[in-house]
Amino acid sequence: QQQVKQSPQSLIVQKGGIPIINCAYENTAFDYFPWYQQFPGKGPALLIAIRPDVSEKKEGRFTISFNKSAKQFSLHIMDSQPGDSATYFCAASIWTSGSRLTFGEGTQLTVNP
Amino acid sequence: ETGVTQTPRHLVMGMTNKKSLKCEQHLGHNAMYWYKQSAKKPLELMFVYNFKEQTENNSVPSRFSPECPNSSHLFLHLHTLQPEDSALYLCASSQDTTFGETQYFGPGTRLLVL
Repeated sequence: QQQVKQSPQSLIVQKGGIPIINCAYENTAFDYFPWYQQFPGKGPALLIAIRPDVSEKKEGRFTISFNKSAKQFSLHIMDSQPGDSATYFCAASIWTSGSRLTFGEGTQLTVNP
Repeated sequence: ETGVTQTPRHLVMGMTNKKSLKCEQHLGHNAMYWYKQSAKKPLELMFVYNFKEQTENNSVPSRFSPECPNSSHLFLHLHTLQPEDSALYLCASSQDTTFGETQYFGPGTRLLVL
């Protein structure tokens, strides 16, 4: 009930491509879905987050798509750059208990020049 | 110093050693967290402190002992660890533990248990 499944485990794209990372959750009580970005030697940092009152949220080149009925959400990176190469984690929580984030397994993204 | 800092950045210890990890946040937050990050596994929440009080212990073995003397500092005391405890230990902080507050992570301590 508490799991968040993330795929793919790794992803390689060419510069300018649009990598898509998918996550699925089981707990219907989850209502806050952040994505974190982690560079080597650094801790994860919040990239973008969505709540289920909208189906899509954009911040710069990053877009979250959310499908409440399917219990799935995904991250799209438009016009990907080599500097986007990092590990991306999706997460989910119940908004009113924000401390308990359930993370996905992570996706290692490589953007080739 | 800004954000969340962790020391040491790397630690090698034997199974009979006692060591401590330190975390300090410079963000004026009231909540602090310890996470364990192992390769190809989700981040595992270990402990949560809010206003210096422990509010969550995620069934962590007693060989890990947290301490939070004030809202800015968090320690993780380690003793008689096992090789499977080798991982990256991340500290995080947030304003508090409610309403989806953003968690800010430190760079982690890479621990190797021999």
